[in-house]
Amino acid sequence: DSGVTQTPKHLITATGQRVTLRCSPRSGDLSVYWYQQSLDQGLQFLIQYYNGEERAKGNILERFSAQQFPDLHSELNLSSLELGDSALYFCASSVGTSLYGYTFGSGTRLTVV
Amino acid sequence: GQQVMQIPQYQHVQEGEDFTTYCNSSTTLSNIQWYKQRPGGHPVFLIQLVKSGEVKKQKRLTFQFGEAKKNSSLHITATQTTDVGTYFCYLYNFNKFYFGSGTKLNVKP
Repeated sequence: DSGVTQTPKHLITATGQRVTLRCSPRSGDLSVYWYQQSLDQGLQFLIQYYNGEERAKGNILERFSAQQFPDLHSELNLSSLELGDSALYFCASSVGTSLYGYTFGSGTRLTVV
Repeated sequence: GQQVMQIPQYQHVQEGEDFTTYCNSSTTLSNIQWYKQRPGGHPVFLIQLVKSGEVKKQKRLTFQFGEAKKNSSLHITATQTTDVGTYFCYLYNFNKFYFGSGTKLNVKP
């Protein structure tokens, strides 16, 4: 157990639907990062939050959004889902920003049918 | 924009042989991290390099940051079957984070 909790572990949904992925960071970590891992695109950085505020943005689609709540847990919302959104979504956390090793959760496997 | 090249894409070795993966950046980096992902698992942090020419060792693993801070390598001496997995470099530049494409290591017993 890495200390980063992601739920659910698996999600199957239909095209056009909306889903929410949840991440609880390791105790004491203020930064949360979201990544997408697919076979053709590899690991892609989506977005980073630090203590509730957005800090960095990667290749995140406009259909996707995220937020970090006062208790530091984070949610990634994916809407108008397409088949190509099927992937493994990882959350990671770290103590600070950018200069620290990150602890990853075990991921949410999203399948869009 | 930032480009990250990691080579080779795949490496198959016999147990006991050495293994090296290389990560090359198009721009000068402030730091670089390395991660290992076992099949079916999540990335696990291995090391962070910050200084030009820095070399760090973890048992059979040796990490190096280039003098120009534009490339890095991970070398495993005498591979074991437990080394199987994909090794990624990870870097931060221009307020964005990038993973290398990864090197998938297979070790034959």
